[in-house]
Amino acid sequence: DTAVSQTPKYLVTQMGNDKSIKCEQNLGHDTMYWYKQDSKKFLKIMFSYNNKELIINETVPNRFSPKSPDKAHLNLHINSLELGDSAVYFCASSQVGDQPQHFGDGTRLSIL
Amino acid sequence: GENVEQHPSTLSVQEGDSAVIKCTYSDSASNYFPWYKQELGKRPQLIIDIRSNVGEKKDQRIAVTLNKTAKHFSLHITETQPEDSAVYFCAASRTALIFGKGTTLSVSS
Repeated sequence: DTAVSQTPKYLVTQMGNDKSIKCEQNLGHDTMYWYKQDSKKFLKIMFSYNNKELIINETVPNRFSPKSPDKAHLNLHINSLELGDSAVYFCASSQVGDQPQHFGDGTRLSIL
Repeated sequence: GENVEQHPSTLSVQEGDSAVIKCTYSDSASNYFPWYKQELGKRPQLIIDIRSNVGEKKDQRIAVTLNKTAKHFSLHITETQPEDSAVYFCAASRTALIFGKGTTLSVSS
């Protein structure tokens, strides 16, 4: 069983569209994260949720809206997609506090 | 906020040699320092981590050292093998993981 699973794996869409990425973890972790990895491989934290509550919200455009229906799920909705949003988006989870983070396989988003 | 610098950005070694990757961090309150390995097209995977109350940690061919005073930490890989070829990321955490920009390690046989 995959510990942290993301869907879809690939997402190709046009500028201006709205899209969502889903993430689920079956590790029983309390904290979930979204990271963006750009074309230069730089990994940057976007959001972090602890037990459904937003605890980290980095300087991300408000077109990005995370939603956590329960502590095992963290989804990412993106409005009005722009060319610069093309990247790989990774979901991760961990126990609360500074604990090892487990990453999903990533969602490769390509904006045409 | 935290800033993590990582060097070198690329590293090429011969099989069997050692490889060393160095990172510095800016926030003295950071207390957790993991290292991740990312193969092409794959997820980042934790290979070793160290906490601020420990100076060194070893796991088989991999070791990490931490100097809190100087605010730097290093990854050491001994007896490198071709399968060690990947991008390696250091990170520092107080409330969130802040990653370095990565080191592309190439091990040639």
